[in-house]
Amino acid sequence: AQSVTQPDIHITVSEGASLELRCNYSYGATPYLFWYVQSPGQGLQLLLKYFSGDTLVQGIKGFEAEFKRSQSSFNLRKPSVHWSDAAEYFCALGGTYKYIFGTGTRLKVLA
Amino acid sequence: ETGVTQTPRHLVMGMTNKKSLKCEQHLGHNAMYWYKQSAKKPLELMFVYSLEERVENNSVPSRFSPECPNSSHLFLHLHTLQPEDSALYLCASSWASGGRSNEQFFGPGTRLTVL
Repeated sequence: AQSVTQPDIHITVSEGASLELRCNYSYGATPYLFWYVQSPGQGLQLLLKYFSGDTLVQGIKGFEAEFKRSQSSFNLRKPSVHWSDAAEYFCALGGTYKYIFGTGTRLKVLA
Repeated sequence: ETGVTQTPRHLVMGMTNKKSLKCEQHLGHNAMYWYKQSAKKPLELMFVYSLEERVENNSVPSRFSPECPNSSHLFLHLHTLQPEDSALYLCASSWASGGRSNEQFFGPGTRLTVL
């Protein structure tokens, strides 16, 4: 069965600290994976995507993600978090018309 | 206007009202989607239109009725809603070809409250 798991519901980090948000997926073939961010009261904005090729993917706002097939993971990272990164982050598995989203990780940034 | 726009941004309605949500995409896409986002639940795909034909209808109650008059516009007609229908309703668009790799672009959502 296809699924996406984001194990952490909430994460709190200090401004300037590094960040890693976890995403695990279940899919029988090569996955198409996405990370989206949602600020309060807003829709979802695409941060980055993985289709094939280089397993380290660069995105917008200084984010990157690494695809690890052996671990079925696609973790999102940022070396230094800014207060404006406080938001909810969603990992998604691409499907024909039908994305499967994780339940999201809410990031809080301490000044 | 750019991207995907949704109106209204906020809507409060009684259980006996009829209202409609509107979505418009300015990206030249040919597939459009309605999602429901409730607190503490994953995003739920409600409907998908591709080339103006409905291709997905995920067991959504008939009190929700979608309409896609052209590839740029998508409506969600609401009637006789229940309080548990209160949620953020998100519209998205993408290219219809390309299958699983098609990136979806989201609107800001309509926050619906049913009293």
